[in-house]
Amino acid sequence: DAKTTQPPSMDCAEGRAANLPCNHSTISGNEYVYWYRQIHSQGPQYIIHGLKNNETNEMASLIITEDRKSSTLILPHATLRDTAVYYCIVRVGLTGGGNKLTFGTGTQLKVEL
Amino acid sequence: DSGVTQTPKHLITATGQRVTLRCSPRSGDLSVYWYQQSLDQGLQFLIHYYNGEERAKGNILERFSAQQFPDLHSELNLSSLELGDSALYFCASSDHLGGTYNSPLHFGNGTRLTVT
Repeated sequence: DAKTTQPPSMDCAEGRAANLPCNHSTISGNEYVYWYRQIHSQGPQYIIHGLKNNETNEMASLIITEDRKSSTLILPHATLRDTAVYYCIVRVGLTGGGNKLTFGTGTQLKVEL
Repeated sequence: DSGVTQTPKHLITATGQRVTLRCSPRSGDLSVYWYQQSLDQGLQFLIHYYNGEERAKGNILERFSAQQFPDLHSELNLSSLELGDSALYFCASSDHLGGTYNSPLHFGNGTRLTVT
């Protein structure tokens, strides 16, 4: 499995951009990078995913380096409601077509006034 | 709202008992995944069903079993419960088998199981 490395915690001031890094140096060519977040025991919430190109949606932007060994999730204007654990995941395929998301320990983002 | 519905939200039961957790996937989604989250283990993948067939197994105990019905809802059965089975159990669904790895999973808000 391609493993990911994230800082255990980060702080961000409300209204500022939150930039969450992730290293995935063993990623394979056809593996996508996914980002999810979990707000205090709620179900994980899908944020964004990408393969090679940078991606943007209404929640966030995903910047993937050219060598695909790392990525950054950007929340452009963080609010208190963005306080959560953020998971960077490389999607792994399994024999038979089934595949799963393997969650690590993530980054606890705390947005403060 | 992810569109994935899990019932019940909370369940309290005694050791040795059996419970059934239910999951209704998003409309049109054929894949259902089950995850367990305990305080010291994080989110652990249990099992994946696609259109009624088991497609992948993770760290699922033999005391646990699951199935997906023709209407695509899924049930996770936990038997001979132990204190250590106390956890949040999440169900997720996606619209593809996932072979292209390009289909997000959408999670429900879980069932909190407490074994006393």
